[in-house]
Amino acid sequence: KNEVEQSPQNLTAQEGEFITINCSYSVGISALHWLQQHPGGGIVSLFMLSSGKKKHGRLIATINIQEKHSSLHITASHPRDSAVYICAVRSGSSNTGKLIFGQGTTLQVKP
Amino acid sequence: EPEVTQTPSHQVTQMGQEVILRCVPISNHLYFYWYRQILGQKVEFLVSFYNNEISEKSEIFDDQFSVERPDGSNFTLKIRSTKLEDSAMYFCATPGTVYGYTFGSGTRLTVV
Repeated sequence: KNEVEQSPQNLTAQEGEFITINCSYSVGISALHWLQQHPGGGIVSLFMLSSGKKKHGRLIATINIQEKHSSLHITASHPRDSAVYICAVRSGSSNTGKLIFGQGTTLQVKP
Repeated sequence: EPEVTQTPSHQVTQMGQEVILRCVPISNHLYFYWYRQILGQKVEFLVSFYNNEISEKSEIFDDQFSVERPDGSNFTLKIRSTKLEDSAMYFCATPGTVYGYTFGSGTRLTVV
């Protein structure tokens, strides 16, 4: 069983739609990360969460530590949001532990 | 966020050859990580490096792999005798601040 599971695996949306990507994990963590990977392969960090909720522009990330679940929301989606969104958890209690990655959610936003 | 520079961006090598992947991270970071992503698969942890020593390594990181900090700023990942299954995108990363980790742009290694 994967330690980090994302759903859905693939998502197609129309421009302007509200998008939610979910992440569940089964290990103890010190933080959860949401990352964005573009077709060229580069990875960009979007959020690092250990509790509650964070917002950056049209992106919102939430985490429920008790339920071991996190969501990434994109409001007013745009074609430029098309990418792979990856959930990763930092295992253990250390602030510098390795990341364990989910398999990613491929998002396509159509104009 | 500041950049982490990886070179080369793409390398094609013959099976059995040695390859060295390089990364120049944000300065003064003591922690450093290497990850890889086989095409179509999820990103996997290879090794973490703290204060010039390996602090943790995965099962993937066998005797064919080594990491060094040769000159105090660059980090290198060496694969001594490449296999076809080493073909992947290799990323270096350092802990960041607000957004989490800063990843390098990646090196796409193709073993033929």
